[in-house]
Amino acid sequence: GENVEQHPSTLSVQEGDSAVIKCTYSDSASNYFPWYKQELGKRPQLIIDIRSNVGEKKDQRIAVTLNKTAKHFSLHITETQPEDSAVYFCAAYDMRFGAGTRLTVKP
Amino acid sequence: DAGVIQSPRHEVTEMGQEVTLRCKPISGHDYLFWYRQTMMRGLELLIYFNNNVPIDDSGMPEDRFSAKMPNASFSTLKIQPSEPRDSAVYFCASSLVASGNTIYFGEGSWLTVV
Repeated sequence: GENVEQHPSTLSVQEGDSAVIKCTYSDSASNYFPWYKQELGKRPQLIIDIRSNVGEKKDQRIAVTLNKTAKHFSLHITETQPEDSAVYFCAAYDMRFGAGTRLTVKP
Repeated sequence: DAGVIQSPRHEVTEMGQEVTLRCKPISGHDYLFWYRQTMMRGLELLIYFNNNVPIDDSGMPEDRFSAKMPNASFSTLKIQPSEPRDSAVYFCASSLVASGNTIYFGEGSWLTVV
C-alpha cells in the first residue's frame, strides 16, 4: 500500500516565526494531497489541500507546495500564532495519513 | 447537514467484552472510512467502503475486528473480544470521492478496555 512519511514529528517555534512540515509519498498515482489540523481532544479538520496539476496553493498564512517529481509536498505556516499549536497530518493516495507533526508555538 | 455522527462518544469496557462502534456518514457521501488513533501508531486507516462495499481492509489489525456497512447511512465497527491494547480513539469519516475530495471526520469514539 501507499506509504506517507511525515517530518518532523515535533516542531517548536516562537510566535511570529515560520513553520514547515514535509511529507513524502511512494505511489505516483497520488493526485490529491490534503493537510489536516487536529487540536487536542478534537477531530482532524481540513485546512488546505492541493491537486497534482498545481505546484503551490496559498490561503492567508498557510501554503502548500508540491513536487511531483520528487514525490513530496510541504505545509508552510507563516507568522505563527499560539492558536496554530496542534497536530498536523498530511495524506496522500487512498487517504492514508502521515504520522503527524506536533507543532508548538511559544508566545 | 449534521456531519458524521458517531456513537458512543465514550466507552469503558472490560477485557473480553464485545464492543460495537456506530457511524452515520454525511448524507450523499459514497465513501466511508474507519480510522484508529493512538499515541504510538498515529492515525491508522483500518478499512474503507465505497457504496457500502468494503474496498480495502488491509488495515484491520486482526480477526477480532470486523466492519459492516449494511446501507448508505450506517456502518459498524465491532471488536470481539476486546483487549486493553484496543484502547484508542476510533474515528469514522466520509467523503464523496476517496482521493480528491475532502474527508469529514466524526467526533470520534473514545474506547477504553480495562
